[in-house]
Amino acid sequence: EDKVVQSPLSLVVHEGDTVTLNCSYEVTNFRSLLWYKQEKKAPTFLFMLTSSGIEKKSGRLSSILDKKELFSILNITATQTGDSAVYLCAEIIQGAQKLVFGQGTRLTINP
Amino acid sequence: EPEVTQTPSHQVTQMGQEVILRCVPISNHLYFYWYRQILGQKVEFLVSFYNNEISEKSEIFDDQFSVERPDGSNFTLKIRSTKLEDSAMYFCASSVVSYTQYFGPGTRLTVL
Repeated sequence: EDKVVQSPLSLVVHEGDTVTLNCSYEVTNFRSLLWYKQEKKAPTFLFMLTSSGIEKKSGRLSSILDKKELFSILNITATQTGDSAVYLCAEIIQGAQKLVFGQGTRLTINP
Repeated sequence: EPEVTQTPSHQVTQMGQEVILRCVPISNHLYFYWYRQILGQKVEFLVSFYNNEISEKSEIFDDQFSVERPDGSNFTLKIRSTKLEDSAMYFCASSVVSYTQYFGPGTRLTVL
């Protein structure tokens, strides 16, 4: 079964720090990798990555995919308390419709 | 900004009862999904629905579960004869194509 593994599972930092969240995947027919932010309930979409080496950026968040090494990172710079959430990555494979999620990284930003 | 909505936000039921969870996907989306998240565990795929039929389902989605699009806007998940282990947060999602999926706020189902 395809597996998506995130690390660390939990991370506590101070406001203003930069964090890097990791996601590795094992898949034979990879299509895309997606990042979501889950605060209280619904996962909210952040990025979709399909091509290796192309950085996606939105404000203080950025993400990149390495298809050779089968991983992706999500960077958050100048963290704020509002960035506290569980960050989920998920893969989608060719010809399928389901997202396969990792277990998430719980990020806590202390003031 | 359009969003996926779900009702109710919390449903409490007795074991063995039937429940129907309701979702209104984003209006121009064509693919609809149900996922669940048991407390402390991963988000798990249940089923996808396209062109008025199930297009993919997981092993979890057995005969106890069914989905329906009864009209042009609603998408429902029915669980017949609920079990204790069905207690979870159920998320509906929708997408234009089967890639970027947008999630609703979820229905917390508690089976007693």
